[in-house]
Amino acid sequence: DAKTTQPPSMDCAEGRAANLPCNHSTISGNEYVYWYRQIHSQGPQYIIHGLKNNETNEMASLIITEDRKSSTLILPHATLRDTAVYYCIVDITGTASKLTFGTGTRLQVML
Amino acid sequence: NAGVTQTPKFRVLKTGQSMTLLCAQDMNHEYMYWYRQDPGMGLRLIHYSVGEGTTAKGEVPDGYNVSRLKKQNFLLGLESAAPSQTSVYFCASSSLRHGYTFGSGTRLTVV
Repeated sequence: DAKTTQPPSMDCAEGRAANLPCNHSTISGNEYVYWYRQIHSQGPQYIIHGLKNNETNEMASLIITEDRKSSTLILPHATLRDTAVYYCIVDITGTASKLTFGTGTRLQVML
Repeated sequence: NAGVTQTPKFRVLKTGQSMTLLCAQDMNHEYMYWYRQDPGMGLRLIHYSVGEGTTAKGEVPDGYNVSRLKKQNFLLGLESAAPSQTSVYFCASSSLRHGYTFGSGTRLTVV
């Protein structure tokens, strides 16, 4: 049972905004949307998470639709170092509910 | 503040040998996890722990055992290694207020 759906790959020009979509149509009211990324073979890195409202931090912005069935991660000015696999995950914060990683979106940032 | 530290980083085992992977975190997180990642796939949860002295099975627990004798340490054991256990192993920790922090991984090859 896939809880999220992401495109397998995307390209983005360096300096442009990268918009990564995620569908989570079966999300429950108490589930948060998390984004992680994995650069090459390193451990996944936390990016951002949100419940209902849009969120922004130093790395990215998270836009969640009003019905919460989809979201978009925005990297405002993508660089080559942002090339990675990006995972969108829904999870109940505060529980050891075992983050379930799909195959994510492979973002390739190009010159 | 080192975050999550995994040892060793690389290991080659012969079929039938045993070994223990060590994960240590210095963030006072309650929850700890062991994941494995096979080529081209997302992470799969092996075992997890919600606190010192407690462990639970994840998605793919067979062939592995774990222990959490101290809050900061989470050990993953392979009693009799098999080639199917060749993988990259990631440890992670989390708390109620923060997302997951992952280690840099252990690359295990079983020949």
